[in-house]
Amino acid sequence: AQKITQTQPGMFVQEKEAVTLDCTYDTSDPSYGLFWYKQPSSGEMIFLIYQGSYDQQNATEGRYSLNFQKARKSANLVISASQLGDSAMYFCAMKKSSGDKLTFGTGTRLAVRP
Amino acid sequence: EPEVTQTPSHQVTQMGQEVILRCVPISNHLYFYWYRQILGQKVEFLVSFYNNEISEKSEIFDDQFSVERPDGSNFTLKIRSTKLEDSAMYFCASSGGGGGQETQYFGPGTRLLVL
Repeated sequence: AQKITQTQPGMFVQEKEAVTLDCTYDTSDPSYGLFWYKQPSSGEMIFLIYQGSYDQQNATEGRYSLNFQKARKSANLVISASQLGDSAMYFCAMKKSSGDKLTFGTGTRLAVRP
Repeated sequence: EPEVTQTPSHQVTQMGQEVILRCVPISNHLYFYWYRQILGQKVEFLVSFYNNEISEKSEIFDDQFSVERPDGSNFTLKIRSTKLEDSAMYFCASSGGGGGQETQYFGPGTRLLVL
């Protein structure tokens, strides 16, 4: 069975600073994908970034990067130059293969201070 | 940019009533999913659907739940006799099925309140 752990229920960051949201995972599958989603107060789930288990390089998407440490089974999200609009709930998730369900962590609520 | 749409955005119903939540997945996607999120909790998988049949379902997805793809565009979740504990945000998602770790894109959700 797959498991995602997010140990930070809430985080604060000052506007324009970088912040790291932690995610560890557990799986026995050799092939898997790791995802981060953002959920603003309006409720929708917005895809941010994806990392494959066999990817050699850490994924980046604009201000988002994923610090993937396979041996430690961690997939932390780094948001650079935080903006007020980054205030939201952030979920780490994983799945095994094409068509498989996503398993989510409990989320981290990020608040960006002006 | 293509997106997943869901209707209604909010639904209030009485306990024991049937509800149908509707979704239009991204048009060229092959895999469809329903998830739910009880207020303040994590997102939970309900069911996945591929090639006109359920490919996987969770323990939550009991006999009170059913899914259907009645035409080439809609994907519905029916709850036959709602319970108070069915109150949650219900998300539809779809993915391409093109192989590899393709991304699931979520709709905006339907907030269901059972009274």
